[in-house]
Amino acid sequence: NAGVTQTPKFRVLKTGQSMTLLCAQDMNHEYMYWYRQDPGMGLRLIHYSVGEGTTAKGEVPDGYNVSRLKKQNFLLGLESAAPSQTSVYFCASRQTGTAFGNTIYFGEGSWLTVV
Amino acid sequence: DAKTTQPNSMESNEEEPVHLPCNHSTISGTDYIHWYRQLPSQGPEYVIHGLTSNVNNRMASLAIAEDRKSSTLILHRATLRDAAVYYCILRDVATSYGKLTFGQGTILTVHP
Repeated sequence: NAGVTQTPKFRVLKTGQSMTLLCAQDMNHEYMYWYRQDPGMGLRLIHYSVGEGTTAKGEVPDGYNVSRLKKQNFLLGLESAAPSQTSVYFCASRQTGTAFGNTIYFGEGSWLTVV
Repeated sequence: DAKTTQPNSMESNEEEPVHLPCNHSTISGTDYIHWYRQLPSQGPEYVIHGLTSNVNNRMASLAIAEDRKSSTLILHRATLRDAAVYYCILRDVATSYGKLTFGQGTILTVHP
């Protein structure tokens, strides 16, 4: 996966704790996304950003907040973690413009367990 | 978003061609057909995309029906490394943020 880095890769949280997942991309992409993937299911969009300083809700935004203070970084926050947020989280980014620029690049995932 | 229908699973032998079908009968004129795959414990990776004409790249070929209501991803010689979940996705270029809507995909098993 070219240029999308997620940290941390693994984390165990207790119910009620907070944490932030960091996504960084070095491809100068405008669009960034956070998805979650539950066992045996496809990815579902949590939040996305179309540029620095902008964010918007996706399909499953409840319980999450995001920020895009710098173009290369997209942060996903859990203010009060719940067991239902146990999942694998994927960050992705893409450039705007040409048809081939429609390709979306994904990070390797962050495995989060809430106990 | 227009929906796609794929078989839950398919099997192939190594070195043989694999044809992965996808039905998208409600496709609109501005929908691109994208294929992504997800190897175990990894993020999805781009495979190929097309609009109307058949497409080839180093990874695969995409055959699109004339009415665009179905398409087929072709892996010309399957390897063990091709074992993955393959997602057929329609992406409307008219949307402002170009999200991908993932279904459950097809689990491809490749036998040695």
